[in-house]
Amino acid sequence: KNQVEQSPQSLIILEGKNCTLQCNYTVSPFSNLRWYKQDTGRGPVSLTIMTFSENTKSNGRYTATLDADTKQSSLHITASQLSDSASYICVVSQNSGGYQKVTFGIGTKLQVIP
Amino acid sequence: EPEVTQTPSHQVTQMGQEVILRCVPISNHLYFYWYRQILGQKVEFLVSFYNNEISEKSEIFDDQFSVERPDGSNFTLKIRSTKLEDSAMYFCASKVQETQYFGPGTRLLVL
Repeated sequence: KNQVEQSPQSLIILEGKNCTLQCNYTVSPFSNLRWYKQDTGRGPVSLTIMTFSENTKSNGRYTATLDADTKQSSLHITASQLSDSASYICVVSQNSGGYQKVTFGIGTKLQVIP
Repeated sequence: EPEVTQTPSHQVTQMGQEVILRCVPISNHLYFYWYRQILGQKVEFLVSFYNNEISEKSEIFDDQFSVERPDGSNFTLKIRSTKLEDSAMYFCASKVQETQYFGPGTRLLVL
């Protein structure tokens, strides 16, 4: 069964600190992996997208890594800000007969405190 | 920057009633999606739509659900006879290449 597991489930960090969120997946065949930020009550917003051949991708203070061999990804947030408080969702896509099927992780709920 | 819009933002309905959730995707996008997120749970795929037909649907998307692109701009999700368990946030998304852009969602509450 295609699954996306994220850890930790929740995380509290001090403003200015760094943190790393983990994503393990069993989705196959792999097409791409995306990290989304979802503020409470809002739609997810794309942060990064990586294909099989990409190991790392940055978007400002967000850096995502991908190890397609071990089927693991991480999202590193540098110098956290209060506005980083949100759920971070890992989404893995697979190609299925020409169309993409997506599997969402449940997300890591990050709270940045002053 | 163009964005996906959804209406209404909130809807309360009685069990058994029909609801139509509306979405306006980004204008040059070709692929359209509906997702739902039950409170406290992960986002779940419902259906994808391309070239005026359903391209993929999940097991959640049963006969009570239907989608339509009635004109060149709107993309609707109809729930024919709502059940209590249909209460959720419903997100529309659209894409033209790899990145899906999500709308702000419609919070549906079935009483």
